[in-house]
Amino acid sequence: QKEVEQNSGPLSVPEGAIASLNCTYSDRVSQSFFWYRQYSGKSPELIMSIYSNGDKEDGRFTAQLNKASQYVSLLIRDSQPSDSATYLCAVIDNNNDMRFGAGTRLTVKP
Amino acid sequence: DADVTQTPRNRITKTGKRIMLECSQTKGHDRMYWYRQDPGLGLRLIYYSFDVKDINKGEISDGYSVSRQAQAKFSLSLESAIPNQTALYFCATSDLGIGQETQYFGPGTRLLVL
Repeated sequence: QKEVEQNSGPLSVPEGAIASLNCTYSDRVSQSFFWYRQYSGKSPELIMSIYSNGDKEDGRFTAQLNKASQYVSLLIRDSQPSDSATYLCAVIDNNNDMRFGAGTRLTVKP
Repeated sequence: DADVTQTPRNRITKTGKRIMLECSQTKGHDRMYWYRQDPGLGLRLIYYSFDVKDINKGEISDGYSVSRQAQAKFSLSLESAIPNQTALYFCATSDLGIGQETQYFGPGTRLLVL
């Protein structure tokens, strides 16, 4: 079992819709969670970090964390074509190593 | 100027050759990392360093070595390249402390081993 799992996609949503990206992790003691965005051919860049259960909002982005279910998600409201990218979930594990999921490819269609 | 730079950006080499990928940062971070990215596998950690005297193996260190020449420089070597080391390689840096773990990535090095 992979330590951080994401649906590879592709996930396709129309412009203006809500995109929902999901991630599960196996290390129950993980405390720090991150969402990175990676455009094709580019390096990952941080979108959100979340440390506590519940929701964290930043503009059109909302990260949701449920430690009991070992689940973290990213919602993108009012999706734009410029949001089309691969989204990487990352988790700091019990060894203080950052583990990445394989990423979910999102396409927002105009 | 970019905070994290990598050289070369692209490299083609032959099986058995020794190559070095270099990473420099101006962020003043103590922690530096080398990852490789393969389609469908995401980012996998090769080596990381928490300061100049600290080197740690990551998930997939076999076939690689690293050198932390200074706080700002962290190089990755492939002693004898093989085709399955063809991948996109990223260097990253981060600061210390809880809440400071955000990693900042370099632009990547595309390596092709023939």
